[in-house]
Amino acid sequence: KQEVTQIPAALSVPEGENLVLNCSFTDSAIYNLQWFRQDPGKGLTSLLLIQSSQREQTSGRLNASLDKSSGRSTLYIAASQPGDSATYLCAVKISNFGNEKLTFGTGTRLTIIP
Amino acid sequence: DAGVIQSPRHEVTEMGQEVTLRCKPISGHNSLFWYRQTMMRGLELLIYFNNNVPIDDSGMPEDRFSAKMPNASFSTLKIQPSEPRDSAVYFCASSPRQGNQPQHFGDGTRLSIL
Repeated sequence: KQEVTQIPAALSVPEGENLVLNCSFTDSAIYNLQWFRQDPGKGLTSLLLIQSSQREQTSGRLNASLDKSSGRSTLYIAASQPGDSATYLCAVKISNFGNEKLTFGTGTRLTIIP
Repeated sequence: DAGVIQSPRHEVTEMGQEVTLRCKPISGHNSLFWYRQTMMRGLELLIYFNNNVPIDDSGMPEDRFSAKMPNASFSTLKIQPSEPRDSAVYFCASSPRQGNQPQHFGDGTRLSIL
């Protein structure tokens, strides 16, 4: 059974710093990995999706990397801003044909201190 | 694009009552997902549909839960009878069927069973 872990559960950093969020998964046979952002009282917003054949994806100040062999992904946020404060979740999609299921981590609650 | 629309946003009802949650997916999306989010268990997939057909309902906690998708633009999740432990935020998400496409989430229904 695939298990996804995110450590730490919470993180506070001063504005302007670069930071890294971590995600690990137990079964390396994944189809893709996604990073989501969740604001309080809201649903999840997809940030980046990395296919199993890719090593990284970038969008603006965000960069996500994937190392399937070690079962790890990182989300790098450059020059953090107070608006980046949210909970960040990673999710993996298993490679079974026709199976659309995502397995989510429990998230990292990020606070950017102005 | 209106996004995934869920109703109601909040529901407070007494134990034993029937609860119906509603979801309108993004037009053109073939897959629809129902999730439940709690502090203790995080985000859990309850059931998902492809082309209106239930594919995997292994996450549905018990027979009190049922989900339907009568057409491509509407789905319901029903709990009957409801219990206090069903209190959670319920999310609906949709995505195109193609493999490497992110899921788009609604803002959720916050359900409280007294």
